[in-house]
Amino acid sequence: ELKVEQNPLFLSMQEGKNYTIYCNYSTTSDRLYWYRQDPGKSLESLFVLLSNGAVKQEGRLMASLDTKARLSTLHITAAVHDLSATYFCAVKGGGADGLTFGKGTHLIIQP
Amino acid sequence: DTAVSQTPKYLVTQMGNDKSIKCEQNLGHDTMYWYKQDSKKFLKIMFSYNNKELIINETVPNRFSPKSPDKAHLNLHINSLELGDSAVYFCASSRGQTRGTEAFFGQGTRLTVV
Repeated sequence: ELKVEQNPLFLSMQEGKNYTIYCNYSTTSDRLYWYRQDPGKSLESLFVLLSNGAVKQEGRLMASLDTKARLSTLHITAAVHDLSATYFCAVKGGGADGLTFGKGTHLIIQP
Repeated sequence: DTAVSQTPKYLVTQMGNDKSIKCEQNLGHDTMYWYKQDSKKFLKIMFSYNNKELIINETVPNRFSPKSPDKAHLNLHINSLELGDSAVYFCASSRGQTRGTEAFFGQGTRLTVV
């Protein structure tokens, strides 16, 4: 059974600081996705990582994938309040040929 | 000009009732999905539907049945609703098995069973 684990599940940090969210998964996969969800809203696609060593950056967010370690990271640089949200990583595979999601990281960035 | 749209956005109903949630996508995608997000925000795949092939997550009760009148629509019908069915249900679509295709999600339907 494919398992996807994120940590931390909750993160409170100050503006201007850097931090990393980790996503481990249990079986081989070469497709990993990061999504953002604001309270009461839908999921917004942030990054699609397709190969070992893939690195993508968008603004203050950077995602990377190490398929050998079965690990993806989402790095936040100089956090700003607008980045407060819940971040999910997801891996293709598991039941019903859909995405298997981590439990999400609830990120609060305080001024 | 919404890509994946669901109706209704909110649904409150009594135990034992039967209800449906509709989903439409205008992205030309050939695979659609239903996900359930529980009160702890945990997301779980329920179904995927691709070219008339339905793949069911074995943990989903058979009271839940997806119905697809055409490639752009995948509705979710729920029989004999139970309190535990209360959750947010998300429809999503993607270009199926094509490498690297991400899933686009609808705005969600918050179902409350009382």
